[in-house]
Amino acid sequence: AQKITQTQPGMFVQEKEAVTLDCTYDTSDPSYGLFWYKQPSSGEMIFLIYQGSYDQQNATEGRYSLNFQKARKSANLVISASQLGDSAMYFCAMREWGNNRLAFGKGNQVVVIP
Amino acid sequence: DSGVTQTPKHLITATGQRVTLRCSPRSGDLSVYWYQQSLDQGLQFLIQYYNGEERAKGNILERFSAQQFPDLHSELNLSSLELGDSALYFCASSIPDSGNDLNEQFFGPGTRLTVL
Repeated sequence: AQKITQTQPGMFVQEKEAVTLDCTYDTSDPSYGLFWYKQPSSGEMIFLIYQGSYDQQNATEGRYSLNFQKARKSANLVISASQLGDSAMYFCAMREWGNNRLAFGKGNQVVVIP
Repeated sequence: DSGVTQTPKHLITATGQRVTLRCSPRSGDLSVYWYQQSLDQGLQFLIQYYNGEERAKGNILERFSAQQFPDLHSELNLSSLELGDSALYFCASSIPDSGNDLNEQFFGPGTRLTVL
């Protein structure tokens, strides 16, 4: 069963604007972690941000923030002040307690235009 | 640079052949994970090793095997290769796994395997 859902089509974003990437997840485990990774065209997977299921506050890392809505099981990534270098695929992933693997969504393609 | 290294970066081989992909985790990381990224299946977990022992298994084919050595580097062996095995293979590592932690995994640059 699909545990991570990313359904947005490819997005074009104007440089310096903010963009929100949607991610919903499915789990019955009360303990889990949510991750976002960036994959530029060069192929590497770059860790961006992490949110634990018991964290009281939304995670932030520089221009990245996570809009965590636990009751709705969503963990949307917000990129503020987009830069040309933000053009990439973005993957949402989840790791459940007792299950060491990361389950990934299909990804969101973002293209930042000047 | 995540600190995880993978070799080779690219690998081109023929059907029926066998290849070995190598991964060195970040210094101090005891857990190593292997993932496969293909166009049709997306990113899939294959297998995890922790301090030399297999910890978890995912969608890994019987033709594939892995091991982690005493120096903590890991190798993924793919045999009897098929066209469908063409993919990007990632290795990831995480800080010492006390059992069931939720720490982030840092990915290597990947090995792109092309089977002709």
